Amino acid sequence: GAGVSQSPRYKVAKRGQDVALRCDPISGHVSLFWYQQALGQGPEFLTYFQNEAQLDKSGLPSDRFFAERPEGSVSTLKIQRTQQEDSAVYLCASSFGSGRDTGELFFGEGSRLTVL
Amino acid sequence: AQKITQTQPGMFVQEKEAVTLDCTYDTSDQSYGLFWYKQPSSGEMIFLIYQGSYDEQNATEGRYSLNFQKARKSANLVISASQLGDSAMYFCAMTVNTGGFKTIFGAGTRLFVKA
Repeated sequence: GAGVSQSPRYKVAKRGQDVALRCDPISGHVSLFWYQQALGQGPEFLTYFQNEAQLDKSGLPSDRFFAERPEGSVSTLKIQRTQQEDSAVYLCASSFGSGRDTGELFFGEGSRLTVL
Repeated sequence: AQKITQTQPGMFVQEKEAVTLDCTYDTSDQSYGLFWYKQPSSGEMIFLIYQGSYDEQNATEGRYSLNFQKARKSANLVISASQLGDSAMYFCAMTVNTGGFKTIFGAGTRLFVKA
């Protein structure tokens, strides 16, 4: 497809389970971002990749959160030992530019995680 | 600290009228980008408009315009001739330099357009 694709769209996990969320950005986009969005709130930055390099992971809430983009294309956000407070929509965004010229972000539809 | 502030949790506007959504920002960078995004109830985030910090003219995109006042650090979105389909959450965002560059978002304003 032409847009950013995320899977799964919906995920229900029992507390303590590990989950993996996938993001397939627009082909050729250099920058890739992960955001966490709680209901009725703005997206909160989690981490940023420029190609395969993770340049900023300052927004990851704890060491249970891990993200990778090994070949500079598809990215996976992994959450270990999920907790109820991890319940949110996880948004992936990509852009053609990078750094100061990151420009417009193209977002996926998000992965809604519910931890029971 | 780099921060985006949107002080209007909710706004109402009559169809066909104009509405202004407020946004103020805080950054020590001299060069930065300001954005507005729309998020309908379906959830997808849609880019609306961009303003560079060195752009002297206010950005416009169709019915959207950005009222950029650099000295006041404000970047308000003006929607003219509101339509029912404009009902959505609106987020102001800024690209900031924190060692790397990232885009941060405000808390959003929910706009309700009345028929």
